[in-house]
Amino acid sequence: NAGVTQTPKFQVLKTGQSMTLQCAQDMNHEYMSWYRQDPGMGLRLIHYSVGAGITDQGEVPNGYNVSRSTTEDFPLRLLSAAPSQTSVYFCASSYSSPVTNPMGLAKNIQYFGAGTRLSVL
Amino acid sequence: QKEVEQDPGPLSVPEGAIVSLNCTYSNSAFQYFMWYRQYSRKGPELLMYTYSSGNKEDGRFTAQVDKSSKYISLFIRDSQPSDSATYLCAILGGRLYFGRGTQLTVWP
Repeated sequence: NAGVTQTPKFQVLKTGQSMTLQCAQDMNHEYMSWYRQDPGMGLRLIHYSVGAGITDQGEVPNGYNVSRSTTEDFPLRLLSAAPSQTSVYFCASSYSSPVTNPMGLAKNIQYFGAGTRLSVL
Repeated sequence: QKEVEQDPGPLSVPEGAIVSLNCTYSNSAFQYFMWYRQYSRKGPELLMYTYSSGNKEDGRFTAQVDKSSKYISLFIRDSQPSDSATYLCAILGGRLYFGRGTQLTVWP
């Protein structure tokens, strides 16, 4: 069972370039999310999805787009990369959504991918 | 005020020591608490979760919640070099709120 798979593992971009970070899960999880992790800042939520066709913004959405056409995939798009987007990006998924099912503790446990390390020059 | 606060450390202890990692939270309505462990260059993985107040034990790890103080703790007994990692507390409240993580090093 692969769990949450992120590609690529590393990426270097020039300012202004665009790219898509891929995330796929094979656990039939309803909820998927993207975080960025920066030194001293912890994990900050970028975007999330409570199911196919439904996405919403987290706390730091600017400069990023997402879509959820299937249950399995949740790509993150950087439209015009900026040095401030240099970070480690993590995709996570859970069986149910903490938004729509806040009482479902065990089902809201989020499983993380290994991360994508992005540098924007 | 952030929903959850965590001292980032770093914390360095000798093998065999008892480690105490702590977080505070702001909303007294929060009832679900988790601890994640993150090894270097890896994604976070769930270590323990607990509901409401009290203690939960799993081997050398004990999670404790004090709702009156809005304080959560993770204790590691007989710490091992393999416990060296960053530990993140997380609180479920509409979404998952993470602390900044505490970097722990256990030296032989």
